Amino acid sequence: AQSVTQLDSQVPVFEEAPVELRCNYSSSVSVYLFWYVQYPNQGLQLLLKYLSGSTLVKGINGFEAEFNKSQTSFHLRKPSVHISDTAEYFCAVSGYQAGTALIFGKGTTLSVSS
Amino acid sequence: GAGVSQSPSNKVTEKGKDVELRCDPISGHTALYWYRQRLGQGLEFLIYFQGNSAPDKSGLPSDRFSAERTGESVSTLTIQRTQQEDSAVYLCASSLEGTSGTYEQYFGPGTRLTVT
Repeated sequence: AQSVTQLDSQVPVFEEAPVELRCNYSSSVSVYLFWYVQYPNQGLQLLLKYLSGSTLVKGINGFEAEFNKSQTSFHLRKPSVHISDTAEYFCAVSGYQAGTALIFGKGTTLSVSS
Repeated sequence: GAGVSQSPSNKVTEKGKDVELRCDPISGHTALYWYRQRLGQGLEFLIYFQGNSAPDKSGLPSDRFSAERTGESVSTLTIQRTQQEDSAVYLCASSLEGTSGTYEQYFGPGTRLTVT
């Protein structure tokens, strides 16, 4: 079984500041890793994913994440945030088999103010 | 192309009534998932359909919940005798399961269910 822990429920930052949203996972098998974003009153949108290869993954809107197998982490980073990045961010894992449901963390609310 | 669509977008129902939620996946997507998102919580997996295989119902919270899918198209999630704890946003996702290199699930906008 897998589980995901997002260590911060809320992260307030000022515009143009860097941000890191933390995600740790637990799994007895190898997993795929994802970050999704949910803007107010919208559905979930994939930001980035780690399937294999380079542990540094770049996604949309200037976000990137680094897979650290030894620390079982997949933290999301952005060097300079915008007001428009205000949203809920979800970290998720899935097993390798087709049809494996995504296991989500509880989400981190990123609030960017000017 | 069109994304995943869900209807209704909002549903308010009285406790004890039955509700049906609809999901139209992306055309050609063989896999379809239902998730539930309760306030302040992450998404909880409910049920998974893949082609004509028997669905994975392991996430359904009680026998009041059921879902059907016609082939590789529309799915309906039915909740019977709704309870207040069923209030949540119900999200549907579809994916091109089974093809190499693609494990991305595309999500619909969700149906917000409020049980009064």
